[in-house]
Amino acid sequence: GNSVTQMEGPVTLSEEAFLTINCTYTATGYPSLFWYVQYPGEGLQLLLKATKADDKGSNKGFEATYRKETTSFHLEKGSVQVSDSAVYFCALTRQGGSEKLVFGKGTKLTVNP
Amino acid sequence: DTEVTQTPKHLVMGMTNKKSLKCEQHMGHRAMYWYKQKAKKPPELMFVYSYEKLSINESVPSRFSPECPNSSLLNLHLHALQPEDSALYLCASSLLRGTDTQYFGPGTRLTVL
Repeated sequence: GNSVTQMEGPVTLSEEAFLTINCTYTATGYPSLFWYVQYPGEGLQLLLKATKADDKGSNKGFEATYRKETTSFHLEKGSVQVSDSAVYFCALTRQGGSEKLVFGKGTKLTVNP
Repeated sequence: DTEVTQTPKHLVMGMTNKKSLKCEQHMGHRAMYWYKQKAKKPPELMFVYSYEKLSINESVPSRFSPECPNSSLLNLHLHALQPEDSALYLCASSLLRGTDTQYFGPGTRLTVL
């Protein structure tokens, strides 16, 4: 079946540090891949997505590249801010298949000033 | 605009109460979803509506009753809930069932006493 594995954290960084949150997936066919972010006390916001191999999603300084050869979609940001503190979820859905979003367990990021 | 709205933001109810959660989107999306999220966990799918018809029920207890009166509105009727039903309830929508990007609302924080 389809599954997503992401580093669970928590991850604690200082402001302006480099961020990587690893995400790997198992899926049949050609999934679409997503990163969602959940700020404290809020719902999920779509951060970025990629729908085919070698696509790079980017938003608000965050980037992730769809790597089919390594089945990965790692989230990166060059310089994190305190306002980036949140829980980040990697997720997939399979094109033409079930509409169920398959989530990783989430990674809590805390950025200290 | 990719906005999904949910009301109320917070809800406290007793086990004998009947209450409803409301979700609205005006993006022309024809698929709408209810998710349940417990603390420190990813969201779990409950129901999927496509063109105002229920297409997926993830074996949710009958004390949760979804309703989709029109293409913009999704309700979740609650009756005789248990304390373990306390959670964040998230609504999401996508253009069509089976298409990739789901957009989430801010959620309703439910507490069952």
